[in-house]
Order: sequence, then structure tokens, then C-alpha cells
Amino acid sequence: EPEVTQTPSHQVTQMGQEVILRCVPISNHLYFYWYRQILGQKVEFLVSFYNNEISEKSEIFDDQFSVERPDGSNFTLKIRSTKLEDSAMYFCASKLAGGFQYFGAGTRLSVL
Amino acid sequence: AQSVTQPDIHITVSEGASLELRCNYSYGATPYLFWYVQSPGQGLQLRLKYFSGDTLVQGIKGFEAEFKRSQSSFNLRKPSVHWSDAAEYFCAVGAVNNDMRFGAGTRLTVKP
Repeated sequence: EPEVTQTPSHQVTQMGQEVILRCVPISNHLYFYWYRQILGQKVEFLVSFYNNEISEKSEIFDDQFSVERPDGSNFTLKIRSTKLEDSAMYFCASKLAGGFQYFGAGTRLSVL
Repeated sequence: AQSVTQPDIHITVSEGASLELRCNYSYGATPYLFWYVQSPGQGLQLRLKYFSGDTLVQGIKGFEAEFKRSQSSFNLRKPSVHWSDAAEYFCAVGAVNNDMRFGAGTRLTVKP
């Protein structure tokens, strides 16, 4: 079965550093998403992306965050200057038009 | 605005006992409804989904969920719980080309 792949599975960084979380969506999917789950809390929507632009974003997705689909297969989430409170599990998801979202296994980000 | 409520933060059941996890949603139209399972440190695994049609949805491992429009609910049930069912369960609501909203989750503990 096709799957969404996220790398790395665990990323450790120092506060103030930039991080890029990578996702390879399912190849024929057109809609892409990032979600965040702070430890012990619920999964929260960050951003959706379609046709090479952001279609919706939450209040969490501030100027420190950006997304990109650099090469037609990868979908990345960049955090420009990480804060301690950015420590969380980050999930990527993708879907076809009219379909439901497939989630990746997540990247655990630890900001020290 | 769409939202999901899972009233039970933590449920403990004995192995072999029946299980019902509650989920209530708020949505302006007929929603897509989902149940995801998350084991510690792992990603989100889709267990069940409801788009339309038969309101009783059968999933794997003996799980089922029933959509009740009049109660705005999508409760997850299993007649006989196994120790391997212990996990965090998230109910989610979404729509075509929209992001998803997750409930806060219900942690299931299974007693031997």
C-alpha cells in the first residue's frame, strides 16, 4: 500500500536553529498538509498546500514557519528559528481530490 | 467551525470486556469522520472512516463505529478488547479539500 514517508524520524536541534522537516507524499496526491502534536496533546492543523501555494493555515503557523514543494516529490516544513515550544511530533499528510488524508509516521522534533 | 469532542480522556477496561469510545462533532454539513489509533511514539493509523452510506462502519480487528446524525456522534465500539488494543484513540472530522480537526484523544488502558 502506498505511504507517506517522513524523514528524519527524530530531529534534535538547538534553540534558535533552523530545521527542515521532510515529507514524501504519495506520488499522485495533490493536497498536502502539516500537523503538529505537542506531547500529550491533540493533533493540531498547521497548514494545507495545493497547486504550489498555501490554501489554509492556522494561527500556529506564524512567520517562523514556511512550506515548500521544491522538486515535485518532496514537501518540506521549515522552522526558521526554533523555540523550546516547537518541540512536538510533526505529521505530514497527503490526499487526492475528494479523498481522505494519509498520514506519515511523523517526525519528533526536540528543541534543546 | 468544525470541532471534535472526546469526553473521556482515559478509559480502562478489562481484557475481554466490551469497549465504547465516545466522539461528538460539530460541523456545518455532512462530515467525513475518522478514528485514528496512535501507539506511544508512533504515527497515526487510520482505523475507520465514514463518508456516506451505511451508518455502521466495520473496521479491522473487530472495531466498528456508528454515525448518528441526530446525536452528532461517531462512537467507536469493540465487543471484546484485546491487550494489544491499548493505545491513544483520536476521532477526527473533515471534509472534501478541507483540513481535519482532531479530538483531544482517549487513552485506552487494558487490564489483564
